[in-house]
Amino acid sequence: DAGVTQSPTHLIKTRGQQVTLRCSPKSGHDTVSWYQQALGQGPQFIFQYYEEEERQRGNFPDRFSGHQFPNYSSELNVNALLLGDSALYLCASSLGDRGSQPQHFGDGTRLSIL
Amino acid sequence: AQTVTQSQPEMSVQEAETVTLSCTYDTSESDYYLFWYKQPPSRQMILVIRQEAYKQQNATENRFSVNFQKAAKSFSLKISDSQLGDAAMYFCASGTSYDKVIFGPGTSLSVIP
Repeated sequence: DAGVTQSPTHLIKTRGQQVTLRCSPKSGHDTVSWYQQALGQGPQFIFQYYEEEERQRGNFPDRFSGHQFPNYSSELNVNALLLGDSALYLCASSLGDRGSQPQHFGDGTRLSIL
Repeated sequence: AQTVTQSQPEMSVQEAETVTLSCTYDTSESDYYLFWYKQPPSRQMILVIRQEAYKQQNATENRFSVNFQKAAKSFSLKISDSQLGDAAMYFCASGTSYDKVIFGPGTSLSVIP
């Protein structure tokens, strides 16, 4: 039973660059949520994708965008990177877009901005 | 809007003892769900326990149980017979049927051999 997989594991970028992070959901799941987790803090919700549409969005600027593919995998894109974007980015999958459902998380992508 | 607060940044417990982690939340919804997630040093977050707000009975999962006080908007996690593998960050979270899941800031639990 394949769990949630994220790539890459680590990434180093410089200010102003653009980055794409990828996520494959757990087998059987159709919803992907993305979170930003700064060091020592709780995950902050970025957005959620269901049926290839953005269904919910947190308090993040439109530099953060995403996409969901027909196979339910998802990408998170961040443009014009800032130092403050350095964080662990977590992908979580669930069945259905309701906040009542338990989420399964990937190992995350550690993004460092120089 | 939902909010989740965890007032204990760090906790420690002796191996085999019991520890309780605190969480308070606020929501305007009547239909909501509460979660405790564990994030070990290896980073992958896993679900520990889930509580439906409409259920009065407290959820239990083996050594893990919750004390759900709906009127007080309190949702604490009790870990019995603590083991070394319980050392991790613990996050309390709240979700509704039609809204995103909100996480608290977390409590770092250390287990002393």
